[in-house]
Amino acid sequence: DQQVKQNSPSLSVQEGRISILNCDYTNSMFDYFLWYKKYPAEGPTFLISISSIKDKNEDGRFTVFLNKSAKHLSLHIVPSQPGDSAVYFCAASGRAGGTSYGKLTFGQGTILTVHP
Amino acid sequence: DTGVSQDPRHKITKRGQNVTFRCDPISEHNRLYWYRQTLGQGPEFLTYFQNEAQLEKSRLLSDRFSAERPKGSFSTLEIQRTEQGDSAMYLCASSLVAGGLDTQYFGPGTRLTVL
Repeated sequence: DQQVKQNSPSLSVQEGRISILNCDYTNSMFDYFLWYKKYPAEGPTFLISISSIKDKNEDGRFTVFLNKSAKHLSLHIVPSQPGDSAVYFCAASGRAGGTSYGKLTFGQGTILTVHP
Repeated sequence: DTGVSQDPRHKITKRGQNVTFRCDPISEHNRLYWYRQTLGQGPEFLTYFQNEAQLEKSRLLSDRFSAERPKGSFSTLEIQRTEQGDSAMYLCASSLVAGGLDTQYFGPGTRLTVL
């Protein structure tokens, strides 16, 4: 049962344009969401997060949007740079005291390629 | 620097052998997590510690797997009688829970290959 899904295995974007990566979840107990970037042979690097009390969080070129009614979140990267080329994972965890608190449930990842 | 470190980075072993991996978390972090990642998938939760207490284990963690965090600092993950299906990247993460939010920072991983 895949509770967090990234339905696009890959995305190709021109340098300078916007990259939009999408993620859907099914578990309504999730209330903290994170995006990680991963290069080959390295561990995931934390990018940005959002808690369920917000619908948007911004950090430099990265913005995460959360639509709780649709159980959907997205990561926007503007402007995209070739160095952003990597695999992007969304992850979710549940409320304190719940069974999914703390441990992260990851999507399958989206390979982003930014062309010069 | 003070990121999460893992040792070794790569391990090749023969089926049936035991292996042990080490993780050193970020020093002030009280939580430590182990995940496993196979090709084309996201990381999957295995187990986690708060200080030295192991609070949860995934059903993915068979009896051949054991993890310890003896003094609430570094942790070890041991796999006994390895099988080819154990080949994966083993990731460690640490966090300091603040305001109820648990942001986990990952180490570089240990790539295990079982021949």
